[in-house]
Amino acid sequence: EVRLLDSGGTLVQPGGSLRLSCAASGFTFKNSAMAWVRQAPGKGLEWVSTIGGSGDSTFYADSVKGRFTVSRDNLKNTVYLQMNTLRVEDTAVYYCAKLQWPSPDYWGPGTLVTVAS
Amino acid sequence: ENVLTQSPGTLSLSPGERATLSCRASQSVTNTYLAWYQQKPGQAPRLLIYGASSRATGIPDRFSGSGSGPEFTLTISRLEPEDFAVYYCQQYGSSTWTFGQGTKVEVK
Repeated sequence: EVRLLDSGGTLVQPGGSLRLSCAASGFTFKNSAMAWVRQAPGKGLEWVSTIGGSGDSTFYADSVKGRFTVSRDNLKNTVYLQMNTLRVEDTAVYYCAKLQWPSPDYWGPGTLVTVAS
Repeated sequence: ENVLTQSPGTLSLSPGERATLSCRASQSVTNTYLAWYQQKPGQAPRLLIYGASSRATGIPDRFSGSGSGPEFTLTISRLEPEDFAVYYCQQYGSSTWTFGQGTKVEVK
C-alpha cells in the first residue's frame, strides 16, 4: 500500500525558513518522480515543485522559484521542500504527491504552513 | 503558462442525476497529460482520471473522462451521495503543471 506522510508545517514569521518532509513507503521510491502541491485556505490547488526519481531534475512554479528547493534522499525514501524567504502568501496546506508520470496519483494528508507575524 | 478554466463554478444537482464538468485550456494539451481529481473538505485530492479518459485504480465506472485539444469533460453518470465534492482538472506541459480553479458539485 502506497503511503505518504508529509510533515514539518508550523507557524513561521515572514522572511523565515522552513523545511517540509515527506516520508514514502509501499512503492519503489527511487523510480518515482515526486511533487509538492499547495492549497491556500479556501482556495484551489497550486503546483509548487517536482523532482525526478534520481533527484537530477527539478522544476518549480514561478511563484516559488529562487526561494524554495526540492530534494530527495532515496536511501531514506524521503522528499524535502526547503522554503526560504517565506511570504504571507505562502500560507497553505502543502501536499506531497507521488507521480504516475506526469499526474500525481497518491497524495499525503498535507501539512499546514502559516506565515504570519 | 497553460491556464485551465473550469465551468461551471458550482453545479447544483440531486443524487441520481448526471453531472457534466468542463475544463478548457488556453493552449493545446496532450491528452496523455490531462487528469481529474476529486477533493472533499479536509481531505487530500484523489486521482479520478488520467490520460484524459483512463480511470485510476478503484474509481467507479460512473466516472468518465473525454475530450481532446483544449476542451475536456468529466462526466458522472449518476451522482451518489459521496460524489458531492470539488473537482479539479490538471495538465502537464513544458515542465510545468497547472490546475483549474475547481468545480463544486453540491446537493440541490
